[in-house]
Amino acid sequence: NAGVTQTPKFQVLKTGQSMTLQCAQDMNHEYMSWYRQDPGMGLRLIHYSVGAGITDQGEVPNGYNVSRSTTEDFPLRLLSAAPSQTSVYFCASRPGGQQNEKLFFGSGTQLSVL
Amino acid sequence: DAKTTQPTSMDCAEGRAANLPCNHSTISGNEYVYWYRQIHSQGPQYIIHGLKNNETNEMASLIITEDRKSSTLILPHATLRDTAVYYCIVRPRSGSARQLTFGSGTQLTVLP
Repeated sequence: NAGVTQTPKFQVLKTGQSMTLQCAQDMNHEYMSWYRQDPGMGLRLIHYSVGAGITDQGEVPNGYNVSRSTTEDFPLRLLSAAPSQTSVYFCASRPGGQQNEKLFFGSGTQLSVL
Repeated sequence: DAKTTQPTSMDCAEGRAANLPCNHSTISGNEYVYWYRQIHSQGPQYIIHGLKNNETNEMASLIITEDRKSSTLILPHATLRDTAVYYCIVRPRSGSARQLTFGSGTQLTVLP
């Protein structure tokens, strides 16, 4: 299994541009989530999904959209990039159910907005 | 969710045990203690979790005090590859608040 795959690894955007960060997992996990990590900080939850067709907001959802049309994929869309969105973005997944606690993380996308 | 307090940084000699403390004095009865670590530039990695009993796996041991207000993650024989930021997280077992909240963690540096 490849686990959680994020693309691209690096991206530079200009203010106002839009783009989609891709996240895919091949473990048939029901739960997926997106975090951002600013320099020297812990991770903050942006959006999450408990299954296909179901999404919800996390701690810092403004400026981001998500959708979950399949179990495997959970893309994160930046509608109009701002310098404040410069960060490292991590996607994570885990099996559904209350007893499945272990999150698997991707390797991250480094995003710079100029 | 209960908040956690961890030291900002710690050093440990290679081959010695690394003991990372975490204070969670407001933890409630249905909240678990989780530990993750993040090696530089990588995604976080799950280490271990527990409710009230001590836990051990191939990576580490988790010691939770009897009153559950604090815990210690133990890496029994630290190596240079264990240098990372270690996050202690408290999370309820169920409900929408189950989403993990990462704080600033402890930067563990294993010295040769």
